[in-house]
Amino acid sequence: QQPVQSPQAVILREGEDAVINCSSSKALYSVHWYRQKHGEAPVFLMILLKGGEQKGHDKISASFNEKKQQSSLYLTASQLSYSGTYFCGTSEGRGFQKLVFGTGTRLLVSP
Amino acid sequence: ETGVTQSPTHLIKTRGQQVTLRCSSQSGHNTVSWYQQALGQGPQFIFQYYREEENGRGNFPPRFSGLQFPNYSSELNVNALELDDSALYLCASSPSPGTSGTDTQYFGPGTRLTVL
Repeated sequence: QQPVQSPQAVILREGEDAVINCSSSKALYSVHWYRQKHGEAPVFLMILLKGGEQKGHDKISASFNEKKQQSSLYLTASQLSYSGTYFCGTSEGRGFQKLVFGTGTRLLVSP
Repeated sequence: ETGVTQSPTHLIKTRGQQVTLRCSSQSGHNTVSWYQQALGQGPQFIFQYYREEENGRGNFPPRFSGLQFPNYSSELNVNALELDDSALYLCASSPSPGTSGTDTQYFGPGTRLTVL
């Protein structure tokens, strides 16, 4: 079942903060976050595993609440380059063949 | 930029035709996964190839098939094209099928397929 992302869209001014949420109805093993700009490939941002392990970029932070099966991506001091569509991909177990992506959150950062 | 490349960039076909899409994985990666991304939607898993064998399949009919070659590059073949097959087709390479914990997938730029 597809994870639900919220909000569907958000508009920020440069320098503002945003939080993007991803919720699943199933017990999760991992959450993968990607950003995709129009006409380009999704770019890996962060992976969070059950048990607290994380891997990602220094300027991106995220959390994974295992009890609620929710993950949040925190974008602080947003830059114009942060604009794009953010996707979470969730997995109940190991293996990318089990990765299910949400419908995305569109973020627009304006000057 | 990742080292994953895909060809062609764009393709226009008519209903009933067959198409082959190609993907070159990043150096050192032995796993390729294919995804279909409809407009405004997230990527949907089609199948994965690991060391030249299919290693998992999503909810796609058998007319979607694939191959992986000894150099780990891969092809996606779609027979009897339907209008609903119009989408962006993404391949992603990874150093393992995802069983190694924090391994990640790196996506290529995609092939935009339009079926008329």
